[in-house]
This record gives sequence, structure tokens and C-alpha cells, in this order.
Amino acid sequence: EAGVTQFPSHSVIEKGQTVTLRCDPISGHDNLYWYRRVMGKEIKFLLHFVKESKQDESGMPNNRFLAERTGGTYSTLKVQPAELEDSGVYFCASSQLPGQGIGNTIYFGEGSWLTVV
Amino acid sequence: RKEVEQDPGPFNVPEGATVAFNCTYSNSASQSFFWYRQDCRKEPKLLMSVYSSGNEDGRFTAQLNRASQYISLLIRDSKLSDSATYLCAVNKGSTLGRLYFGRGTQLTVWP
Repeated sequence: EAGVTQFPSHSVIEKGQTVTLRCDPISGHDNLYWYRRVMGKEIKFLLHFVKESKQDESGMPNNRFLAERTGGTYSTLKVQPAELEDSGVYFCASSQLPGQGIGNTIYFGEGSWLTVV
Repeated sequence: RKEVEQDPGPFNVPEGATVAFNCTYSNSASQSFFWYRQDCRKEPKLLMSVYSSGNEDGRFTAQLNRASQYISLLIRDSKLSDSATYLCAVNKGSTLGRLYFGRGTQLTVWP
């Protein structure tokens, strides 16, 4: 069974440009999450989709970030315009039920590494 | 104040050693606790969950101390393959889908 897949794996863009990251969750997983880790910091939650609805978007840093999950399948995270501090690794994750818990595991993708220069 | 604090290490130990990592959390409402393992430039993978006082799985033992608000991970008989970054994470009942991670502790096991 395919895991969580993310594209692109690496991206280098100039400040002010736009980047769109894509995540394909594990088939059948209604819950999809975006996290990111910037240099020297911990992995931080960005938002949580249940199907196509945003369940919790309290971690989104500002309005330059837009996440969508049309149709409740794959998701995109757009950064526009990108700033230097947006550099880091963006992880997508998915699970059948909400949250990490008994009988439910959140599976992470390998991440999309973004460098803004 | 960070939700989760973790000693970043690095820890460098010989094969066969026992090593322990600690992690403290700030919010007493935290309900569930986890240890993840992350290899270099890979995704975090769940290693162990801790729902009550502790959990043991082979060479790995995780313990929870709610009174002092910390969780620990003990690795016995370290193997070269244990070299990785170990992340602790917690979640709160109010926001099940959201995990709060520590910065991770880097472990290198040398032959």
C-alpha cells in the first residue's frame, strides 16, 4: 500500500515567488494534516482537514499560506509570496480517524524541502 | 513557553549502551504522549505511544510522569541501527488532530 506521498521533494525558489506543494494521503484516509519544520525549530502543526473541510487551521502562520483539499482527496499548500523565513521542510500526514491514538496512527510523508533564496 | 521541551543532545553512545531521553510538556491538559523516530531527511515514524504510566516494547521503554509532566524513553542494548533523531510529541483532548512536537534528540550509536 502506498504511503503518504508529497511533491515536489525539493524546491528552490526566489523570495516573492509562489510555490505549491502537493500531498496525496493514504487511500481512504479522511484526515489530512500539514506540518512544517523550519531550521532549528520543532515540527509545528499547520492545519488539519477532515475530508475537504478545515477542521483546525490555527497553526497557519499568516495569509500567505493557503491550503486546499478539493474533493477530499489530495491537498495542496500554496505559499504566495514566499519569504526567506518560509524555508524548511513541509510534512503532510494522514490518518483514518482524527489524531494519533489507540487504534489510529498518523502517517507522515517524507516532506517537501523548500528553500527560499 | 514551548508546549514540549526536549534536550537536543547529541547523544553519542557505544553499541550495547543504555541511553535515556527526557521530554517535558507544559500543558497539564495533554492527554496522549508519543515517541517518534526520524532518520536523516526522512519522515517521523511512530515508535511508541504512552497512554498510562508506561509502555515497553523490546529494548524500548517509555514512561510517563504526569505529576512532573515529563515522558522518558529508555533504549537498552543500543544498536547501530538505533542512530536517529527521537522526537517526543503530545496531544490534547481538545485538539485531537494536532500534535505538539519537541525539537528532537539526536542519537548516534558507534561501534
